[in-house]
Amino acid sequence: DAKTTQPNSMESNEEEPVHLPCNHSTISGTDYIHWYRQLPSQGPEYVIHGLTSNVNNRMASLAIAEDRKSSTLILHRATLRDAAVYYCIRGGGFKTIFGAGTRLFVKA
Amino acid sequence: NAGVTQTPKFQVLKTGQSMTLQCAQDMNHEYMSWYRQDPGMGLRLIHYSVGAGITDQGEVPNGYNVSRSTTEDFPLRLLSAAPSQTSVYFCASSRTGDSPNSPLHFGNGTRLTVT
Repeated sequence: DAKTTQPNSMESNEEEPVHLPCNHSTISGTDYIHWYRQLPSQGPEYVIHGLTSNVNNRMASLAIAEDRKSSTLILHRATLRDAAVYYCIRGGGFKTIFGAGTRLFVKA
Repeated sequence: NAGVTQTPKFQVLKTGQSMTLQCAQDMNHEYMSWYRQDPGMGLRLIHYSVGAGITDQGEVPNGYNVSRSTTEDFPLRLLSAAPSQTSVYFCASSRTGDSPNSPLHFGNGTRLTVT
C-alpha cells in the first residue's frame, strides 16, 4: 500500500514549468512527504522532502497543501533530462514504500 | 565517496542456482535495504537492516536471505533461483532508517535474469 495517488503519466514542453500532483489523504501529522525520481536505467534519486512548509532546493520546489492531504512537485523549467518516473512517498523511514509513480514525458 | 555500489551489474542464472548480490556503501549509513523492480512497475521492498547484526523482512522477502555483519555491506542471497525472481535489484542506504528526514541513496542496480 503506497498510501499516495499520482497520475500515471504527464507530458510537458521543454523550458516550461511542470506541476506533478500527489494525493495523500490519510497522511498523519508526523509523516513527511518525499519525492524521488528514476531516470531510465538508473536507481531512484532523492529530489526533495518536506513536512508542512513549502520547500525549495536546486532541483525543484515542493508545495504542500495546508491540510497536508496533497502536495505538488514543481520543476521550474523542464529539460529533456527531467524525463523520468517521479515517485511521491508518504512517510519515509523504515519500510519506505514506492508506488507506481508518474512518468513524465518532456517534448523538445 | 562512491556512494552505494552494487555488483554485478548483470547476471544470468539457471533455475535452481544460487548467487549473492553485493551491496556496499561508504557513507557510514546505519540503514540499508534491498528492493526489486519488475518491468513497468514500482519498487518493492525485500529486506532491510537498521544496523550491523539486525535485519528484517519487507514486502516480498520469500526466496531471499540477507545478513549484515558490517555497517558497509548488505549482501542479498538467492538460495535457489526461480524465473519469478527475474528483475532489477536495487540496494539503498540512509543515515538512519527511523528518521523520515533521512533520504535514501540508491545504487544503480543489478539486472538479474533467471532462465
